[in-house]
Amino acid sequence: DARVTQTPRHKVTEMGQEVTMRCQPILGHNTVFWYRQTMMQGLELLAYFRNRAPLDDSGMPKDRFSAEMPDATLATLKIQPSEPRDSAVYFCASGISGQGTDEQFFGPGTRLTVL
Amino acid sequence: QKEVEQNSGPLSVPEGAIASLNCTYSDRGSQSFFWYRQYSGKSPELIMFIYSNGDKEDGRFTAQLNKASQYVSLLIRDSQPSDSATYLCAVAFTGGFKTIFGAGTRLFVKA
Repeated sequence: DARVTQTPRHKVTEMGQEVTMRCQPILGHNTVFWYRQTMMQGLELLAYFRNRAPLDDSGMPKDRFSAEMPDATLATLKIQPSEPRDSAVYFCASGISGQGTDEQFFGPGTRLTVL
Repeated sequence: QKEVEQNSGPLSVPEGAIASLNCTYSDRGSQSFFWYRQYSGKSPELIMFIYSNGDKEDGRFTAQLNKASQYVSLLIRDSQPSDSATYLCAVAFTGGFKTIFGAGTRLFVKA
């Protein structure tokens, strides 16, 4: 069945290291979202794309975070250098804009721990 | 002021009761409203969406929207222990591109 996939599911790294998270949206979906979830802040929108074009990345710390869609089947979120405060669960979601429900389908998330 | 406000709970109801979850939002330009359910350790999943003022029913779930009061709610009838989860209210603008989530309300349904 169609679902959003994310890799890795878990990542433990040391402060200062680069972290790359990958997402494969559901085939045919034209919008992709990156969220970060922590107990303190809840679910925060980091960036989103439509038809692979970035529409808004105002939720991301620009100095260390970057998000790209090299092609329609892959979205990446990079953190360089990583910091302990980046520890969170990062969700990717995809959807189809303008098709009625605007429902977002979430991937299983990447649990990131920065030591 | 947060853009989407929810009572964090926990909200505890007995099995079979009605659970009422509430959400307020700050931007009058908001056009689409969603309720997502998130089980512990899992990802959010959509359970209801509503665009127009009034009520929308789907099985045991009813979403209510009042744009004048900037208020959206979710009622769960005949609550079951399997409904125990965190319920996230989400608000989006035109096209649903930018979606802002509330912090979520934890619901416990006691058997």
